[in-house]
Amino acid sequence: GESVGLHLPTLSVQEGDNSIINCAYSNSASDYFIWYKQESGKGPQFIIDIRSNMDKRQGQRVTVLLNKTVKHLSLQIAATQPGDSAVYFCAERHPYGNKLVFGAGTILRVKS
Amino acid sequence: DAGITQSPRYKITETGRQVTLMCHQTWSHSYMFWYRQDLGHGLRLIYYSAAADITDKGEVPDGYVVSRSKTENFPLTLESATRSQTSVYFCASTGLAGEETQYFGPGTRLLVL
Repeated sequence: GESVGLHLPTLSVQEGDNSIINCAYSNSASDYFIWYKQESGKGPQFIIDIRSNMDKRQGQRVTVLLNKTVKHLSLQIAATQPGDSAVYFCAERHPYGNKLVFGAGTILRVKS
Repeated sequence: DAGITQSPRYKITETGRQVTLMCHQTWSHSYMFWYRQDLGHGLRLIYYSAAADITDKGEVPDGYVVSRSKTENFPLTLESATRSQTSVYFCASTGLAGEETQYFGPGTRLLVL
């Protein structure tokens, strides 16, 4: 799940629509996963997390789905709002230590 | 809430100079981390610390030095800055094992000329 280049994938959605941001993680032994939101000029902000013994977790307007078979994580945002525009990162925790490995990120643009 | 702070927020320096970036957290978290973030890239771990006086290398440690004499502080030093170290640096912290969520500071934007 390391960076692959200078251009991040971009998802453009209409305000009010649902958004789905996808992430492929690298280590089948990872036991914990997090989604972060990063707005321009700010540090990453925690959105939602999930442990490997779960396949779905819901928060306020957000849902994370975990498919361990294909090492895939997704973030669903319901009724997307302009304030949701940001870069979204997934991160996985490898089994030893408390270190996270981050994906390259996805830009979410919300059109009004 | 203060939580985790970084200073300075912006820094311009020249090649070869020593620069220290400060990180302070008020939660008494055990773990602290330093990341760098470059345009179009994700966050890459430089160094981390599991507790005071315990530090370890991350993915990209070359050219950096850290120390952790107090639980709440985790300074990052660039011993001889290079242009390739121009980046945005983020500090993060998390609690004891069982609390995995890392909380990030606002970042320090460093430009090396």
